[in-house]
Amino acid sequence: AQRVTQPEKLLSVFKGAPVELKCNYSYSGSPELFWYVQYSRQRLQLLLRHISRESIKGFTADLNKGETSFHLKKPFAQEEDSAMYYCALFKAAGNKLTFGGGTRVLVKP
Amino acid sequence: DAGVIQSPRHEVTEMGQEVTLRCKPISGHDYLFWYRQTMMRGLELLIYFNNNVPIDDSGMPEDRFSAKMPNASFSTLKIQPSEPRDSAVYFCASSLVGENTEAFFGQGTRLTVV
Repeated sequence: AQRVTQPEKLLSVFKGAPVELKCNYSYSGSPELFWYVQYSRQRLQLLLRHISRESIKGFTADLNKGETSFHLKKPFAQEEDSAMYYCALFKAAGNKLTFGGGTRVLVKP
Repeated sequence: DAGVIQSPRHEVTEMGQEVTLRCKPISGHDYLFWYRQTMMRGLELLIYFNNNVPIDDSGMPEDRFSAKMPNASFSTLKIQPSEPRDSAVYFCASSLVGENTEAFFGQGTRLTVV
């Protein structure tokens, strides 16, 4: 069975400080992982996907198969990064997309 | 395309009443997902469809919940009878088949059962 765990419900950091959101997964196959973000009063939307190895809005995430992790990082948090972040695991067989419990990030001025 | 459209945006109902949530996916998308969002559990996958056929409904909490997709452009999630613990935000999302494809979400329906 596929499972995604985000151990932190809330992360509160000051503007300019680094922020790291933890995500661990369990899946027997080759994982395809994503981070989605939900800003206040907006739809849930894709932030980044591991296959792209890209940096979006200063965020990066590295897939570590040995630790079964896909942590999201940003070296200098901004107030506009305050949002709800969800880690998601995609199972190609069946196109099933499973989310973690979410982490709320609050960036204080 | 206006994206995934859900209705209503807000629903307040009394315990025991039937509730129907509606979703119009993005045209051409093969997959449609129903999720429930709560503070305690985050985003839970309830059920999803491929080409209008239910693929996995293992996330549907009880028999009180049912979902249908009569055609490629419309799906419903019904709760009958509703209970206060069903209060949550219900999201619909659609996507294309394939690896690393993005799921597009609707704005959600906030359901309050009193």
